[in-house]
Amino acid sequence: KAGVTQTPRYLIKTRGQQVTLSCSPISGHRSVSWYQQTPGQGLQFLFEYFSETQRNKGNFPGRFSGRQFSNSRSEMNVSTLELGDSALYLCASSPYSGGTEAFFGQGTRLTVV
Amino acid sequence: EDKVVQSPLSLVVHEGDTVTLNCSYEVTNFRSLLWYKQEKKAPTFLFMLTSSGIEKKSGRLSSILDKKELFSILNITATQTGDSAVYLCAVVYQLIWGAGTKLIIKP
Repeated sequence: KAGVTQTPRYLIKTRGQQVTLSCSPISGHRSVSWYQQTPGQGLQFLFEYFSETQRNKGNFPGRFSGRQFSNSRSEMNVSTLELGDSALYLCASSPYSGGTEAFFGQGTRLTVV
Repeated sequence: EDKVVQSPLSLVVHEGDTVTLNCSYEVTNFRSLLWYKQEKKAPTFLFMLTSSGIEKKSGRLSSILDKKELFSILNITATQTGDSAVYLCAVVYQLIWGAGTKLIIKP
């Protein structure tokens, strides 16, 4: 069974640009959650999608958005990038909404210059 | 405000030592507590704890939950250099994460 796949693995963007990250969950999993991980803040929850609907949202500005497609693949978009958005972005898939056992992808390392 | 607090934040021990990592929480709508090991990028799942007092065990790792005192511990016996990692705990409902414990095993 394939694991969680995130693309791209690495990304360098300049301030003001926007970026789209992709996450393909484990087959059969309908929940995808996104996290931002920085050395100073640890793992911070961005949002969770389940069956194409956003179920939960963390405390991030509106520049951070996401969506989920009918095949459960999810994308996360960050507009008007800031230097502070440089981080490792992880997505995790679960069979059900609300957590339980979550399986993580390898992450996308975003660097904003 | 929901929170998960891990301690210690970092720990350096020698190979062969036993370590105990702590995770305390204050959350509404507790469903379960999860432990993860993060070495480079993707955290890998270790345990899910739902009931108090029932120890989960996997090789040299074990964990237990106390729902009355609102904490969990993760024990690693006979540590090896491969155990060096950041250990994260998270509480469901919304997966509220602790900051992690960075464990370094010296050979």
